[in-house]
Amino acid sequence: DVKVTQSSRYLVKRTGEKVFLECVQDMDHENMFWYRQDPGLGLRLIYFSYDVKMKEKGDIPEGYSVSREKKERFSLILESASTNQTSMYLCASSFTSVTYNEQFFGPGTRLTVL
Amino acid sequence: GNSVTQMEGPVTLSEEAFLTINCTYTATGYPSLFWYVQYPGEGLQLLLKATKADDKGSNKGFEATYRKETTSFHLEKGSVQVSDSAVYFCALNRYNNNDMRFGAGTRLTVKP
Repeated sequence: DVKVTQSSRYLVKRTGEKVFLECVQDMDHENMFWYRQDPGLGLRLIYFSYDVKMKEKGDIPEGYSVSREKKERFSLILESASTNQTSMYLCASSFTSVTYNEQFFGPGTRLTVL
Repeated sequence: GNSVTQMEGPVTLSEEAFLTINCTYTATGYPSLFWYVQYPGEGLQLLLKATKADDKGSNKGFEATYRKETTSFHLEKGSVQVSDSAVYFCALNRYNNNDMRFGAGTRLTVKP
């Protein structure tokens, strides 16, 4: 089974802190994604990566950066956390497929910024 | 651009009731369509999928048929259980494209 793990289930940080969210997948997937999930808005893509050291902006990249130094690991960084970044953060991964690109999700990190 | 619109919730049903959650999409080309489920405190899990018109995806008693003529992919189950209580997301992904689009999610609560 594909397994996607995230470093924390719950995280509480203060405004202005630098925050690192880590995601690891064990199926050698090329693609990795970071989403945030907010009530009534569904999932919104922050960044994705299709290869080591490659990254692409999603729909809401402002206030975030990412790092992918190894194929299995994709990090989301909040350079200076703000209260409007309080949310559920979901990591996902997928193969590059010529048919469809099913994404596999981690359990999520619920981040609260005070 | 590509987008998904799904039925607003919350939906509350009694056990053994029939479930329909509507999903319609807008896309260029030929997208693949998915239903994901999120149980309390967990990430999203793929429930079922369909990759071309008239395909029917099914899993755990849930079904959805890819209808190109009505651009729809409605989720149905004949008899829901309390354990089906979760949030359901409709999603689409274009052919060989990483741009997966999710609906806003529909929260289902099933009461005994």
